[in-house]
Amino acid sequence: DTGVSQNPRHKITKRGQNVTFRCDPISEHNRLYWYRQTLGQGPEFLTYFQNEAQLEKSRLLSDRFSAERPKGSFSTLEIQRTEQGDSAMYLCASSPRGYGVGQETQYFGPGTRLLVL
Amino acid sequence: QQQVKQSPQSLIVQKGGISIINCAYENTAFDYFPWYQQFPGKGPALLIAIRPDVSEKKEGRFTISFNKSAKQFSLHIMDSQPGDSATYFCAACRRRFSGGYNKLIFGAGTRLAVHP
Repeated sequence: DTGVSQNPRHKITKRGQNVTFRCDPISEHNRLYWYRQTLGQGPEFLTYFQNEAQLEKSRLLSDRFSAERPKGSFSTLEIQRTEQGDSAMYLCASSPRGYGVGQETQYFGPGTRLLVL
Repeated sequence: QQQVKQSPQSLIVQKGGISIINCAYENTAFDYFPWYQQFPGKGPALLIAIRPDVSEKKEGRFTISFNKSAKQFSLHIMDSQPGDSATYFCAACRRRFSGGYNKLIFGAGTRLAVHP
């Protein structure tokens, strides 16, 4: 178990192109979160999965954004028709199943830095 | 929605000194308050966290002080070291009715520089 992994680590794309990011959570963590972090700001919540069900989406997640977690393990975040304002660090986090003390901790991956030219 | 306000934006401390970062929240339903440390190019890493049923939690050189009535909490780093130079984020969230926890609401961050 090496923690949350994200790929790619960096992505440069031209405006209007589609991009897809992947997140592999810590094994057996059934909760998975996506956040976006812009320079000099704290992470902002995008969406949340419990197992394969997407239970919450932020208003930040426009129609151009879609996230999936098809088998309750890894997740993908796709951005269609990218805009320069999409340039940010996209962070994935996971937390363990259960409701006890310690199971509220979210473990973050290293992020995918997106630059839209 | 700025539900967690963090100050200062940046902080310079001499080696061996005490670093203090403050946060204030609005939503009284929050019941979990973590602090995260982030180095450049890395994801945030949990440093220490507190629940509102205690007023202080200490782990090594790091202490969280919590004031429920004032809706404020702070991070104290004792004997600050150059290796502590990073960006620190406070956050808050609340338990879901169905179990587990909601999304984290982060402060804007404090960039700490510890000079030797």
